[in-house]
Amino acid sequence: QLQLHGSGPGLVKPSETLSLSCTVSGGSIKSPNYYWGWIRQAPGKGLEWIASIYYTGSTYYNPSVQSRITVSTDTARNRVSLNLTSVTAADTAVYYCARHQITVLEPPAPTRIDPWGQGTLVIVSS
Amino acid sequence: EIVLTQSPDFQSVTPKEKVTITCRASQSIGSSLHWYQQKPDQSPKLLIKYASQSFSGVPSRFSGSGSGTDFTLTINSLEAEDAATYYCHQSSSLPQTFGQGTKVEIK
Repeated sequence: QLQLHGSGPGLVKPSETLSLSCTVSGGSIKSPNYYWGWIRQAPGKGLEWIASIYYTGSTYYNPSVQSRITVSTDTARNRVSLNLTSVTAADTAVYYCARHQITVLEPPAPTRIDPWGQGTLVIVSS
Repeated sequence: EIVLTQSPDFQSVTPKEKVTITCRASQSIGSSLHWYQQKPDQSPKLLIKYASQSFSGVPSRFSGSGSGTDFTLTINSLEAEDAATYYCHQSSSLPQTFGQGTKVEIK
């Protein structure tokens, strides 16, 4: 059964870089059948998709964070990573890593999300 | 960006009642609409994929319908364990977006 486990610092100072990792077990991030995504949820708020990455390295980013975000894969560790630079209090959120199914069309694109990791709370504060 | 608007924002329901949540898209998204359930302090879980397809392991009281811009999630005969916030999500175009959520409370 696929599991995703997010990890990283729970507290980041304003203007610094938020770095999170998502370790995948029970499946390979090299599979051509899935995208791997990041979704965040500010306290008491709704869900915001921020990024997805394919095993080829192809990425999609939300324009709301595009200038500050980098998502990458580490196939040796079966891990997906997120870096978000120049953070502010508005980046305070629970960050979920998750798996997307893909479309049957070419090129494949991310679709529905299942499963989700447990979420990592990141607070941006000095 | 496609905006998804859910209604209502909140619903207080008696067990065994039927619950209907709607999701309206700002432009046509075909059937690329998915529904999730999020219980307090838990990660979201997929309930319905592609507007009306049941997802494995989800109780049959959950169903979805719609296409284009108007979609509905129905919970037949609500159970106490269904207390949660429900989100719609579109994967038709990027950026992917979610509705603002509908919180269902059990009376």
